[in-house]
Amino acid sequence: AQTVTQSQPEMSVQEAETVTLSCTYDTSENNYYLFWYKQPPSRQMILVIRQEAYKQQNATENRFSVNFQKAAKSFSLKISDSQLGDTAMYFCAFMKQRYNQGGKLIFGQGTELSVKP
Amino acid sequence: DSGVTQTPKHLITATGQRVTLRCSPRSGDLSVYWYQQSLDQGLQFLIQYYNGEERAKGNILERFSAQQFPDLHSELNLSSLELGDSALYFCASSVGRMTNEKLFFGSGTQLSVL
Repeated sequence: AQTVTQSQPEMSVQEAETVTLSCTYDTSENNYYLFWYKQPPSRQMILVIRQEAYKQQNATENRFSVNFQKAAKSFSLKISDSQLGDTAMYFCAFMKQRYNQGGKLIFGQGTELSVKP
Repeated sequence: DSGVTQTPKHLITATGQRVTLRCSPRSGDLSVYWYQQSLDQGLQFLIQYYNGEERAKGNILERFSAQQFPDLHSELNLSSLELGDSALYFCASSVGRMTNEKLFFGSGTQLSVL
């Protein structure tokens, strides 16, 4: 069975600084996807970034980037130039790559990030 | 706004009761997924429907059931409710059923069982 672990329940960062959220996972699969989702106080689950395991290049979306280390089964999220609107719970998630079986995400426990002015 | 609509936003009920949560997927999306978010279990996948048929099951209790109707909206039925069923229930949708598709989440239904 796959598991996702986020070892930092809470983190804080000053506005405009950089912060890195950690995530490790365990799987015997070779083909899979990894995700970071953001859940602000509005409760909406918002996709931040996605990484395909077969791609060696780390995914980047504006101020968000990941450090994907497949051998170490590590998938950290770096937020640059942190903004107050980045305050949210962040979830790391895993999905096996299976034909016709999309959507079954396995989530970590989350990291609550506070961006301070 | 993700385009996925969930109703009601909040639901308060008593133990032993039955409730129905409703989800309307984004226009054109054929797949619907249900997730449960609770303090002790975290976020868990419950069940997936694709074009009216059940496609995958996760940690869904036997007291829970779901269906997807011809108009593609979905309902999650929770019966014989217990205190531990109190949680935020999310619906998500995607165009099809492939793993490389993006999921769009609704805002959730907060269920409180008293």
